[in-house]
Amino acid sequence: DGGITQSPKYLFRKEGQNVTLSCEQNLNHDAMYWYRQDPGQGLRLIYYSQIVNDFQKGDIAEGYSVSREKKESFPLTVTSAQKNPTAFYLCASSFDTYEQYFGPGTRLTVT
Amino acid sequence: ELKVEQNPLFLSMQEGKNYTIYCNYSTTSDRLYWYRQDPGKSLESLFVLLSNGAVKQEGRLMASLDTKARLSTLHITAAVHDLSATYFCAVDLYGGSQGNLIFGKGTKLSVKP
Repeated sequence: DGGITQSPKYLFRKEGQNVTLSCEQNLNHDAMYWYRQDPGQGLRLIYYSQIVNDFQKGDIAEGYSVSREKKESFPLTVTSAQKNPTAFYLCASSFDTYEQYFGPGTRLTVT
Repeated sequence: ELKVEQNPLFLSMQEGKNYTIYCNYSTTSDRLYWYRQDPGKSLESLFVLLSNGAVKQEGRLMASLDTKARLSTLHITAAVHDLSATYFCAVDLYGGSQGNLIFGKGTKLSVKP
């Protein structure tokens, strides 16, 4: 089955630790995206990548980093510089820049 | 800066009633998306609207786009409990060239018997 997978579903970390969220897709989509959702809010774009080995900052990139070494994978690292990392993180992909399909999400809690 | 505003943010409806959710945006764009989110879940794509006057319907939901008014509507006909969810509109900041979506805050719909 084609789709987007994110792991883990729930993640707990201590403040000051870096953590990497996984996103994999087998839809052969060129573009991939990372969003953050806070309770009662819409999604905000963190980073996006339209092609392998290239990515751009979104609206709230500070404290985050990404890589795009393979077409299928777009991992997101939440660094200790991110002041409020607790949130629901959603990965998406799209063919070209058309309709985006979302993964199941990772709920990160930092204490 | 592109802003996307949805209203209402909360909507409690009775089954069988009709209602409309509004999505206003502040700069020119001809690409607008509607998504549904169930509690604790990911987003499900409902509609993609690509041009002025576009209208799409799926079941009890119908979406339209007026790019001149910078307005999209999501109309619910004869609501049923299964439609209870949060609905988001999203506008493509660069008109489709980069996939940079700006989301509204969402409309939380509750359909009661």
